[in-house]
Amino acid sequence: DGGITQSPKYLFRKEGQNVTLSCEQNLNHDAMYWYRQDPGQGLRLIYYSQIVNDFQKGDIAEGYSVSREKKESFPLTVTSAQKNPTAFYLCASIGVTEAFFGQGTRLTVV
Amino acid sequence: GENVEQHPSTLSVQEGDSAVIKCTYSDSASNYFPWYKQELGKRPQLIIDIRSNVGEKKDQRIAVTLNKTAKHFSLHITETQPEDSAVYFCAATYRAAGNKLTFGGGTRVLVKP
Repeated sequence: DGGITQSPKYLFRKEGQNVTLSCEQNLNHDAMYWYRQDPGQGLRLIYYSQIVNDFQKGDIAEGYSVSREKKESFPLTVTSAQKNPTAFYLCASIGVTEAFFGQGTRLTVV
Repeated sequence: GENVEQHPSTLSVQEGDSAVIKCTYSDSASNYFPWYKQELGKRPQLIIDIRSNVGEKKDQRIAVTLNKTAKHFSLHITETQPEDSAVYFCAATYRAAGNKLTFGGGTRVLVKP
């Protein structure tokens, strides 16, 4: 199913709690990305990684953290410092050109 | 870095009419311009793309045109159908492994039966 899997599909976070979103790909792509999408909005880049053990901040990195210990995996942690985390999160892996997206995780603060 | 602007943000058309979405980009080094379609609650999926050595590309009812001099590219959907209703995103990048893909803000297209 596109070779990139996000989990869970739905996630609920309590105030002050850290949560981690999973993203795994078997496309052998070096580059992986995390985007945030708010209702009626575009895709805003949170973090991206072009190679294992290296990652860069995107446009809205505050309150988020990532790791890239394996080529296949790029988990995103939404920390308590992120004051408005309710959104749809999309992970993507990119080869030479085309970006393949995961099915997304909808995070809600309760 | 690259900046991509997309217009309009919403577009309502009658079934059977054409829809046109326009994007401009800032980095003259960009040479790859994909278009993604996102249906409600689903992931974006590539529908068509164009490289900078081509001025126009067509795939059935959709086509993309590129004007490198003016740094803008457009998506054209002809004979629109209700299933064309979705959000469409343009993007731009320099075509090399791992380069960042910059998206436009999206266009919500509604095809009225």
